[in-house]
Amino acid sequence: SQKIEQNSEALNIQEGKTATLTCNYTNYSPAYLQWYRQDPGRGPVFLLLIRENEKEKRKERLKVTFDTTLKQSLFHITASQPADSATYLCVPTGSARQLTFGSGTQLTVLP
Amino acid sequence: DAGITQSPRHKVTETGTPVTLRCHQTENHRYMYWYRQDPGHGLRLIHYSYGVKDTDKGEVSDGYSVSRSKTEDFLLTLESATSSQTSVYFCAISDQAGPTSTDTQYFGPGTRLTVL
Repeated sequence: SQKIEQNSEALNIQEGKTATLTCNYTNYSPAYLQWYRQDPGRGPVFLLLIRENEKEKRKERLKVTFDTTLKQSLFHITASQPADSATYLCVPTGSARQLTFGSGTQLTVLP
Repeated sequence: DAGITQSPRHKVTETGTPVTLRCHQTENHRYMYWYRQDPGHGLRLIHYSYGVKDTDKGEVSDGYSVSRSKTEDFLLTLESATSSQTSVYFCAISDQAGPTSTDTQYFGPGTRLTVL
């Protein structure tokens, strides 16, 4: 069955540093991959989408990479801020009838 | 929350009672989804709709039914609630080709349901 693994349930980093979140998937051949952000008590919010033919995508302080050989996506937040603290969800998409969300990585940026 | 409302936002009910959750959108998006979110499981798709009166099952559809009589409303019904259905329920909408499309999904604020 399809499986998504996101690195460590919780990640703490110091303000100003780069946060790197990992998403590994198995039994998938996604055509694209989405990243969402979820704050406590709220629904997820879409951040970025990267297609299989794109190695890297950037949006402001965010960068996503997608390696279909390794079956992995990396999500980077540069110059992190306490306001970046949230849970980040990985969603490999496109090869099945249903979206499957990873359980997420809870990021805490310490001031 | 992109013109999506869910009602009620919180509900406590007893085992065996019927419960209906409502999702209402003002975006005129074709696709609507119901998810549940539990600790350690992430978001799991219950049912989705690809048009008025067109629905399909998701990963965890047992014990749930849905209806969509209007574009803007998608109802989730628990015919006889059980404690295992205690969860946070999210509605989502999207405007393109369905669950396997590349489009963004917009989520509602969620409904916290407790079944005693």
